[in-house]
Amino acid sequence: EAQVTQNPRYLITVTGKKLTVTCSQNMNHEYMSWYRQDPGLGLRQIYYSMNVEVTDKGDVPEGYKVSRKEKRNFPLILESPSPNQTSLYFCACGGVFGTEAFFGQGTRLTVV
Amino acid sequence: EDQVTQSPEALRLQEGESSSLNCSYTVSGLRGLFWYRQDPGKGPEFLFTLYSAGEEKEKERLKATLTKKESFLHITAPKPEDSATYLCAVWDYAGNMLTFGGGTRLMVKP
Repeated sequence: EAQVTQNPRYLITVTGKKLTVTCSQNMNHEYMSWYRQDPGLGLRQIYYSMNVEVTDKGDVPEGYKVSRKEKRNFPLILESPSPNQTSLYFCACGGVFGTEAFFGQGTRLTVV
Repeated sequence: EDQVTQSPEALRLQEGESSSLNCSYTVSGLRGLFWYRQDPGKGPEFLFTLYSAGEEKEKERLKATLTKKESFLHITAPKPEDSATYLCAVWDYAGNMLTFGGGTRLMVKP
């Protein structure tokens, strides 16, 4: 089954404690991306990757890091989380240049 | 900078009451306009892609249309299972990413 898998689904953490949200896809897409979704602000792109070892900033990259060492994996790293990073996060693959994007199930992060 | 504005923010319909959702956009060059459906606690699910003004696409009770400035998602005789948030997004020729609107939350009562 074609899918995008994010882990964990839910996470509560404390300010400043480094965390990683993993994302893995089995659809062989070159393009992957991370979004955050907040009430009233919609989906906003954090980072995207056009291919292995190629990443670039989206609209809201501050406080986040990503890496793309393999085609299937695109982890999101929060080096020092803060409460304003409390949000619902989605990983996606595909969607480049007018094609369909496939989204993961989401990760609800709370930073206290 | 690309801008996507959806209206209304929320829409309540009775079952069978047809209506339309609006997506207004500003881009330098439209490569594609997308409609997604999102159920609570889940990731967006792809519905349609429209590429040029005048294009229309249909899927069950949904029909998407596109002009040079906006897109409409028409819902004919909706059912309660159509209740969801509908998201509009654009891909600009000048960029490498999707820009989403704020979404319209649709609630269909039986």
